Amino acid sequence: QQQVKQSPQSLIVQKGGIPIINCAYENTAFDYFPWYQQFPGKGPALLIAIRPDVSEKKEGRFTISFNKSAKQFSLHIMDSQPGDSATYFCAASLPSGGSNYKLTFGKGTLLTVNP
Amino acid sequence: EAQVTQNPRYLITVTGKKLTVTCSQNMNHEYMSWYRQDPGLGLRQIYYSMNVEVTDKGDVPEGYKVSRKEKRNFPLILESPSPNQTSLYFCASRGGSGAGEQFFGPGTRLTVL
Repeated sequence: QQQVKQSPQSLIVQKGGIPIINCAYENTAFDYFPWYQQFPGKGPALLIAIRPDVSEKKEGRFTISFNKSAKQFSLHIMDSQPGDSATYFCAASLPSGGSNYKLTFGKGTLLTVNP
Repeated sequence: EAQVTQNPRYLITVTGKKLTVTCSQNMNHEYMSWYRQDPGLGLRQIYYSMNVEVTDKGDVPEGYKVSRKEKRNFPLILESPSPNQTSLYFCASRGGSGAGEQFFGPGTRLTVL
């Protein structure tokens, strides 16, 4: 059972475009939704994260939109640059409370930004 | 520099030959975890540790062992590797309570022939 579904698998945009990556989750108990960015040969690195009590969070050119009722969240990259070319993973985790801080990941989106 | 380190970065081995992938963090984090990354499957948790001597299974623990004798180290042990364990492995750590950033190591690419 895939608890976090991510789309699209791959995405190609031109420089300056606004790629949008979407994720849908099933478990309504999830309360933390991070996006990770991974460059080839590197480990994932936290890009931006949101909790379900807000509908949008912006950090620089990166914005998360969150729709609790639809159980969906998305990543928007404004004014995309070739340096943004990477694999992006959405993830979700349950409330802590002393238990596993496991991240449940989507399958990833390979983003290519052409010059 | 705050970081998670893994060794080796690349390893080619043969079926049945025991191996250990080391993981170390210098952030005094209590929580550490191992994930494997496979094409089309994303990252899946293998084992995790809430603190020294406290470990538990994740989603795909079969064929793996871990230990947590020191806070900074969390080695992943494959007692008898098989080709289906060919994968990219990541160690991660986080500190504090509540949901927060997990820091990932650079990865270990393992090939089992």
